[in-house]
Amino acid sequence: ETGVTQSPTHLIKTRGQQVTLRCSSQSGHNTVSWYQQALGQGPQFIFQYYREEENGRGNFPPRFSGLQFPNYSSELNVNALELDDSALYLCASSPPGTAVNEQFFGPGTRLTVL
Amino acid sequence: AQTVTQSQPEMSVQEAETVTLSCTYDTSESDYYLFWYKQPPSRQMILVIRQEAYKQQNATENRFSVNFQKAAKSFSLKISDSQLGDAAMYFCALRADKIIFGKGTRLHILP
Repeated sequence: ETGVTQSPTHLIKTRGQQVTLRCSSQSGHNTVSWYQQALGQGPQFIFQYYREEENGRGNFPPRFSGLQFPNYSSELNVNALELDDSALYLCASSPPGTAVNEQFFGPGTRLTVL
Repeated sequence: AQTVTQSQPEMSVQEAETVTLSCTYDTSESDYYLFWYKQPPSRQMILVIRQEAYKQQNATENRFSVNFQKAAKSFSLKISDSQLGDAAMYFCALRADKIIFGKGTRLHILP
């Protein structure tokens, strides 16, 4: 069984650019959550997708947006990148009926904004 | 507002000894879940243990157990017989309407 995968592993962008991060959820999982983990901090919840709809959001501005596809894979898009967006972005998927009580995390994408 | 506080940025324990990581939280919700996650240097986050707030019995998973004090809003993690592979960042998390993580405790295992 393949776990949660994320691409790319590392990414360098400049301020003002746009970025798309990708996540493939574990087989059979229909809920995907995205987190931002700044250096030395715990993860911060960005948003969650269930059956292709956003069904929960943390305190992040609208320039953070996402998509979930019919195969339950997901994208995180960030527009107008700022220096403070530099962080590890984690994706986690959950099996049906468990919400986030059982999350399986991917290895993350390290984003550096210069 | 929900908060999660981990007051120990770093801890060290001798291999085979027992260590306790502290976590306090605050929420106005009556129905919530608490978690401990482990993030090794490879950075993939792994769920260690989970506690439902309505359950009085403390959760255990092999060498990992929690001390859940609901009235005190405390949720500590005890690791028994510490092993070198336990070295990692440990995050306490609370889920009521949303999930909130603490800032983490870095655990070092001394051989």
